[in-house]
Parts: sequence; C-alpha cells; structure tokens
Amino acid sequence: EAGVTQSPTHLIKTRGQQVTLRCSPISGHTSVYWYQQALGLGLQFLLWYDEGEERNRGNFPPRFSGRQFPNYSSELNVNALELEDSALYLCASSRGLNYEQYFGPGTRLTVT
Amino acid sequence: DQQVKQNSPSLSVQEGRISILNCDYTNSMFDYFLWYKKYPAEGPTFLISISSIKDKNEDGRFTVFLNKSAKHLSLHIVPSQPGDSAVYFCAASAVGNQFYFGTGTSLTVIP
Repeated sequence: EAGVTQSPTHLIKTRGQQVTLRCSPISGHTSVYWYQQALGLGLQFLLWYDEGEERNRGNFPPRFSGRQFPNYSSELNVNALELEDSALYLCASSRGLNYEQYFGPGTRLTVT
Repeated sequence: DQQVKQNSPSLSVQEGRISILNCDYTNSMFDYFLWYKKYPAEGPTFLISISSIKDKNEDGRFTVFLNKSAKHLSLHIVPSQPGDSAVYFCAASAVGNQFYFGTGTSLTVIP
C-alpha cells in the first residue's frame, strides 16, 4: 500500500510570493489534514478536509487556504508569503473521523 | 491554548532501560489518543493508540497508559534501543474533531 505522498519535497520562495503544496492520501482515506511544523515547535494544525469539504481550520490567517479534490488529493495554498512561513508542512490522511493519521514526508518551505 | 502538553522537551535513557514519555491534556472531552515517532526530515510515524474506554494498550515494546482522572497518558518503551532515538509526539481528539498534538519530546537512547 502506497503511503501519503507530498510534492515538492523542498521549495524556496521569496517574501510576498504564493506557493501551492500538494498531497495524495493513502488509497481509501477520505480525510486529509495539513500541519505546519516551524523550527523548534510542535505540529500546528492548519486545515482538515473530509469528502471534499473543509471541516475545520486552525488558528492561521486566511492567506492559508486549500482544497480537496474528488480523488481526495489536496492542495495547500499560501499567499503573500512571510518569512515566518518557513517551516515543514506535513500532510496526513486517515480513513475518517477519529482514525489514526498517516503522515507524508513533508514539504520543506523556505521563505527568503 | 495548548490543549496537549509534553512538558519534557528531551529525555536521555541508557540502552536496555525503560523510556517513559509523558503527556498531559486539558480537555476532558478527548477520548482517543495517539503516539507518533518522528525522525529528522521525515513525517511522523504512527506508533500506538488508546481509546478512553481502556487504561492500557500494548504493542511489542511499546505500552501506552491512560489515566483519565489525571488527564495524563504515558508511553513506555521497554527495552529502549538506539533506533528509538527520535522525537515523540502525543495527540488527542474528541469525537468529530481534529487531533491536537503536543510539542514533542526528543528521546536519545545511549548505547
């Protein structure tokens, strides 16, 4: 069974630019979660999608957005990048509510 | 507001001994708990889970204990091995809600 995949693995952007990160969940998983892990910090919940709908979002500004496609893959968009957006962005998928989440390898975003 | 807390940022243990990682939570509605292990530059890997109807769950060298009255859970690794050196995250959720993660404890197992 293929795991959660994320692309790209690394990304360097300049302040003010926009970025799109992509995630493909494990086959059969309908829920996708996005997390941010900044240096020295824990996992901060960003967004949760299930069956194509946004179910919840964490305490992040509106310039963080995303969507889930009919095949359950997902995109995370970040507009007007700021230096503090530099972090590892992790995507996870699960079979649904309250099932364990399986994580992808992450996308390392550096904003200069 | 940090609903899940791991108050020890790091822990060092000798190989072969027991590692005990602790996690506290504040929301009494949490009823499902997970532990993850994370190596540098990789995504977290699911280790073990426990639901609030149990107070213990075992999987090989890993045992998770849940004390609902104290809102505390712990992960025991016995015996500890050098390959267990990683950052460990606990996570908790209530029915219908997302998981809340702790800030992690970095475990170093000394050969």
